[in-house]
Amino acid sequence: DAKTTQPNSMESNEEEPVHLPCNHSTISGTDYIHWYRQLPSQGPEYVIHGLTSNVNNRMASLAIAEDRKSSTLILHRATLRDAAVYYCILRLITGTASKLTFGTGTRLQVTL
Amino acid sequence: DTAVSQTPKYLVTQMGNDKSIKCEQNLGHDTMYWYKQDSKKFLKIMFSYNNKELIINETVPNRFSPKSPDKAHLNLHINSLELGDSAVYFCASSQDWGASTDTQYFGPGTRLTVL
Repeated sequence: DAKTTQPNSMESNEEEPVHLPCNHSTISGTDYIHWYRQLPSQGPEYVIHGLTSNVNNRMASLAIAEDRKSSTLILHRATLRDAAVYYCILRLITGTASKLTFGTGTRLQVTL
Repeated sequence: DTAVSQTPKYLVTQMGNDKSIKCEQNLGHDTMYWYKQDSKKFLKIMFSYNNKELIINETVPNRFSPKSPDKAHLNLHINSLELGDSAVYFCASSQDWGASTDTQYFGPGTRLTVL
């Protein structure tokens, strides 16, 4: 799987939007961009995924650059419960077993 | 309702012992996984089973043996435990195995400590 690069940590104030960046300059045309997060002392949980177009769901939005070499996970109003490690992961479209290759992720701290 | 459950949550044991961790999913998924998260928080896949058949084995020592009695269960047996096996082990499941859009659902983890 292609490599992703994320900042080690970010901070946000509660109720403010958070933009978590991810660089994936070696992404191939068939790689999907996935985001998972891991809350303290819990297993990872799915957040969102996309291929080319921006995506929205109840948890977050995913903005994908036109050249697909970077993407941004957007939490519209951060809460204390959003404090977690956020992982940006690239996955091949088909033909390979569906493993997730986690990097080091971004640790998001949310303060009052 | 717990989607993916693991037992035990904590496991403390001596070097050289044999232990098992159990995983069950009630999502009706065909594929299950074991991941290991070490002390530096790196999370790495170990095994994957689809319909009770092994499809991923990420060069894990053969002291680790997954067993899938049915699609809803994937247990992890570890023989001759070593200090380096201390980690948090996560079980996960997904509907399919080859779809890059597939979502994986993780269990709460089992913290294994080898003394």
